[in-house]
Amino acid sequence: SQQGEEDPQALSIQEGENATMNCSYKTSINNLQWYRQNSGRGLVHLILIRSNEREKHSGRLRVTLDTSKKSSSLLITASRAADTASYFCATDWGGNNNDMRFGAGTRLTVKP
Amino acid sequence: DTGVSQDPRHKITKRGQNVTFRCDPISEHNRLYWYRQTLGQGPEFLTYFQNEAQLEKSRLLSDRFSAERPKGSFSTLEIQRTEQGDSAMYLCASMGLAGGLTDTQYFGPGTRLTVL
Repeated sequence: SQQGEEDPQALSIQEGENATMNCSYKTSINNLQWYRQNSGRGLVHLILIRSNEREKHSGRLRVTLDTSKKSSSLLITASRAADTASYFCATDWGGNNNDMRFGAGTRLTVKP
Repeated sequence: DTGVSQDPRHKITKRGQNVTFRCDPISEHNRLYWYRQTLGQGPEFLTYFQNEAQLEKSRLLSDRFSAERPKGSFSTLEIQRTEQGDSAMYLCASMGLAGGLTDTQYFGPGTRLTVL
């Protein structure tokens, strides 16, 4: 079964705007990861945040984690048309480091 | 390019035929994962190898599916007697060992299977 649920399922914004995607999960975790997938391609790792971390930054990306609410958010600032892709959160299932579960993803469209 | 390669990239087959996919992980990575992804969904875990040992299998992996990783290097995923419901993208990922904690999985480009 899937672990994470991304929200919204689809998001359309103008270039330059910020995009925020949310992820909720069900079990206890050791870490949460965000991936990007361009249409028909493999997944590209964006950022990993461990359960004892609350916020992490990487370039234009900002990820937060709230383990009490079992939720995470991914913020992309100053979006570009090239950011158009599907974004997935993934967590280890019930603390099992070798079993990673993905949500259904958020489809982000950035209009030029 | 993540360093993980998969072959073939696309496979079209008729129902009932057998198909085999190959994954070459990043050479120093000892863990290898197979996932299946259908349209509009996230990847679903199928199975996992540590070196040559297959340590976990999802219940999604029916007895028509078999995976191997001889010598702990490349891996193959075989589907026997394919069904239309097997049509999906099959993704492979590899990961190194990082202190026992889950680290980054590096994904290959996937093999898109279409069963007619």
